[in-house]
Amino acid sequence: RKEVEQDPGPFNVPEGATVAFNCTYSNSASQSFFWYRQDCRKEPKLLMSVYSSGNEDGRFTAQLNRASQYISLLIRDSKLSDSATYLCVVVKGGGTSYGKLTFGQGTILTVHP
Amino acid sequence: DTAVSQTPKYLVTQMGNDKSIKCEQNLGHDTMYWYKQDSKKFLKIMFSYNNKELIINETVPNRFSPKSPDKAHLNLHINSLELGDSAVYFCASSQTGISYGYTFGSGTRLTVV
Repeated sequence: RKEVEQDPGPFNVPEGATVAFNCTYSNSASQSFFWYRQDCRKEPKLLMSVYSSGNEDGRFTAQLNRASQYISLLIRDSKLSDSATYLCVVVKGGGTSYGKLTFGQGTILTVHP
Repeated sequence: DTAVSQTPKYLVTQMGNDKSIKCEQNLGHDTMYWYKQDSKKFLKIMFSYNNKELIINETVPNRFSPKSPDKAHLNLHINSLELGDSAVYFCASSQTGISYGYTFGSGTRLTVV
């Protein structure tokens, strides 16, 4: 089983739609969680951190469920510029694993007019 | 000023050659990484250096040798290149204890022919 699993999509949605991505992780020792965004042929960039209490940044809402080892990202009112690959990222705490990002394979989102 | 810069951006070479990729960061971070993104878009960590000391060495063929002359530089030398080494190699940096502070370079697209 992969450490971090995502539905690769692709998700094709019209502008203005709401879209949700899910991610599961296998290591219960994981301590930090993030969503990154990667545009075509570009480097990954941090979109937002994910907390158990849930956090929101404009049109983006991220949620963590530690009991189910499940992370989600909700995008409301999709824009054309949201088209990208969304990467679920997990960090294990402690020892030499600290700081090592483990990536899911990414979910491709295409927003069309 | 580019925060994490990698050179070259593109590298096309023949099987069996030896090549190097260079990375420099001007963020004052103490940890640097090499990640590989293969044709299926999975991003996986290869190496991590903290203050010039190797702290993460994933299962990578010993044809790959990282070198960190100081904490602002992390280079990657690859001997006897193989077709399967074709990928995008990303350098990144972060500060210990701040997982969200990762910054990636723009990547080096290596093609082995």
